[in-house]
Amino acid sequence: QSALTQPASVSGSPGQSITISCTGTSSDVGGYNYVSWYQQQPGKAPKLMIYEVSNRPSGVSNRFSGSKSGNTASLTISGLQAEDEGDYYCSSFSSSVTLVVFGGGTKLTVL
Amino acid sequence: QVQLQESGPGLVKPSDTLSLTCTVSGGSISGHYWSWVRQSPGKGLEWIGCIYSSGNTNYSPSLKSRLSISVDTSKNQFSLRLNSVTAADTAVYYCARDLGDILTGPDALDIWGHGTMVTVSP
Repeated sequence: QSALTQPASVSGSPGQSITISCTGTSSDVGGYNYVSWYQQQPGKAPKLMIYEVSNRPSGVSNRFSGSKSGNTASLTISGLQAEDEGDYYCSSFSSSVTLVVFGGGTKLTVL
Repeated sequence: QVQLQESGPGLVKPSDTLSLTCTVSGGSISGHYWSWVRQSPGKGLEWIGCIYSSGNTNYSPSLKSRLSISVDTSKNQFSLRLNSVTAADTAVYYCARDLGDILTGPDALDIWGHGTMVTVSP
């Protein structure tokens, strides 16, 4: 069982917006602004999409945005495109048992 | 640009030691945290541990008793050793660079290696 809780799957049609949630505790997501999001496409290494809750690395589309409220972080993808399909993982710094925790991952399907 | 490359055996026998090295090219290993993450077949990402370039380490509690991560700044490499492996350690192992520094601690993994598949089998 992962430390951070994500929905197993989400889906949307091209052009729509979707949001993936990531729920933790006050010892991780709620307590620190070190929440990051990764995209992983089949057979590839994860790619950093959002860091420090809402910052986008250079080269990541502005269709990707992040936010946080309390113990839940969210990744929103607007203007869905077929190339956005893949698995998305959240991660957070933690002051609990382990220093870094991941969510279980969310499979995004573009219909 | 900075690139990471994992290297090591793809097959390890049960009870043996799994050893992997990550070579950093295109930049210095100094001033960053460096992490290991693994992914069992069909499963999610699991944080293994990290090391700062000065040698400070932090390990996943579930692996701590079997794990050692080291850094060789002269070779721009860092390494993982996992003792007494079982089939449960079969996974793709990734090395990654962390955005964090010694003041902030681990932040986010911005550069990843391609990953290397390690199978634990007799």
